Amino acid sequence: QKEVEQNSGPLSVPEGAIASLNCTYSDRVSQSFFWYRQYSGKSPELIMSIYSNGDKEDGRFTAQLNKASQYVSLLIRDSQPSDSATYLCAVNRDYGGSQGNLIFGKGTKLSVKP
Amino acid sequence: NAGVTQTPKFQVLKTGQSMTLQCAQDMNHNSMYWYRQDPGMGLRLIYYSASEGTTDKGEVPNGYNVSRLNKREFSLRLESAAPSQTSVYFCASREGGRNTEAFFGQGTRLTVV
Repeated sequence: QKEVEQNSGPLSVPEGAIASLNCTYSDRVSQSFFWYRQYSGKSPELIMSIYSNGDKEDGRFTAQLNKASQYVSLLIRDSQPSDSATYLCAVNRDYGGSQGNLIFGKGTKLSVKP
Repeated sequence: NAGVTQTPKFQVLKTGQSMTLQCAQDMNHNSMYWYRQDPGMGLRLIYYSASEGTTDKGEVPNGYNVSRLNKREFSLRLESAAPSQTSVYFCASREGGRNTEAFFGQGTRLTVV
C-alpha cells in the first residue's frame, strides 16, 4: 500500500459547486497533514494544514481529518475556474524525535467548468 | 524576499554527463528537501537534510548525491545522467518541526537525451 493515496482524477465540477478531494494515509503515527495546490508548470503552494481531528475552515476551503480512519479531505466551496489545478495531499512522516519529512500523494487534478 | 531559489530553470544533458542542481533559501530554515515530479507520480522524495551537516536518503535516491553546503544551500548532483532522470526537480525548505509548512523553489526541468 502506498503511503499516501489520492484519486488522480480528473475531478470535474461546475462553477459554484463544492469540490471534494480525498486522501488516505498508511502510517498511523502521522500527526501533521497538508494540502498543496499546484498550477500547471508551477511549484506547489500551501492551501491548508491540519493537525487535529475534525474540521478546519479558511475562507472557501475546509480541511477535514479523521485519524481513526486515516483519512483527510479538502472541500472547496463555491468552486471557481481559478481553482482548476492539481491538489496534493502531504503527510509528515515522523521518525521518533525527528520532525520527519513530507510524503506526497500523486495528486488529484481538479477542473472547474464555467 | 526570494524564498527558495533553484538554478538552473531548464537543462538538457546527454546520457552520461554530470551536473549539479543548486538550491538556496533565505528563510533561515533548518530542513531542506529535493523532490522529483514525473507525470502521474506526484512528488517523490530523493534526499533530505533535517539540519546543517546531515543528509538522508528518501524514496528514490539511486543515481543522486547531495551536499548540505551550509544552512542556506542544498545541492543535488547527478554523476552520470540517464534518460530515466528526465523529470522536474523541486527543492523545498521547512523551518523544522512536524507542524511547519514546506516552501518550494520554482523547479528545474531536466531532460536527459
